[in-house]
Amino acid sequence: DGGITQSPKYLFRKEGQNVTLSCEQNLNHDAMYWYRQDPGQGLRLIYYSQIVNDFQKGDIAEGYSVSREKKESFPLTVTSAQKNPTAFYLCASSVPGQISNQPQHFGDGTRLSIL
Amino acid sequence: AQSVTQLGSHVSVSEGALVLLRCNYSSSVPPYLFWYVQYPNQGLQLLLKYTTGATLVKGINGFEAEFKKSETSFHLTKPSAHMSDAAEYFCAVSPIYNFNKFYFGSGTKLNVKP
Repeated sequence: DGGITQSPKYLFRKEGQNVTLSCEQNLNHDAMYWYRQDPGQGLRLIYYSQIVNDFQKGDIAEGYSVSREKKESFPLTVTSAQKNPTAFYLCASSVPGQISNQPQHFGDGTRLSIL
Repeated sequence: AQSVTQLGSHVSVSEGALVLLRCNYSSSVPPYLFWYVQYPNQGLQLLLKYTTGATLVKGINGFEAEFKKSETSFHLTKPSAHMSDAAEYFCAVSPIYNFNKFYFGSGTKLNVKP
């Protein structure tokens, strides 16, 4: 079955530590996205990538970094500069980004907490 | 900037009653519109979408939504609620010029009472 796999499902971060969230898709989608979800705030876009080796900042990129070296993979690093990282992180992908009428497909998320 | 408003962060209905979840968007050019459902500790699942054509769209699990340009709305309905419909629902818009960048509403949690 095609889909998006996020790992781990739960992650704990110590003060001053960088952590990396994995996102892999086998849908052959060009575009990939990272969202942060906090209670009552919906989904906020962190970074997105329309094509391999290219990515753009979203609305809340500070304290986060990404890479897009392969079409299937879009890992998100939560750096120590992100002072409030506790949240539910969702990865999504979609068919070529130039086509705005295509839905985004989501993984099952990673819940990050501070130790 | 695009915005999406979902009226009511919590909605409670009885099993068998009508479900109505409201979504309004701000845009002079009608965007593409989507509804998603999220169960606890899971990702979002697409319920339905409106791109062009018929303004009443049907989705999975008996849900449907109607695009009303004059009201800039895309409300989600289901004639008869089922216990399994209890979840959080998100409305999302994708501006037609903006390369599939989505804007999400803040979500509505639906509670279904027996």
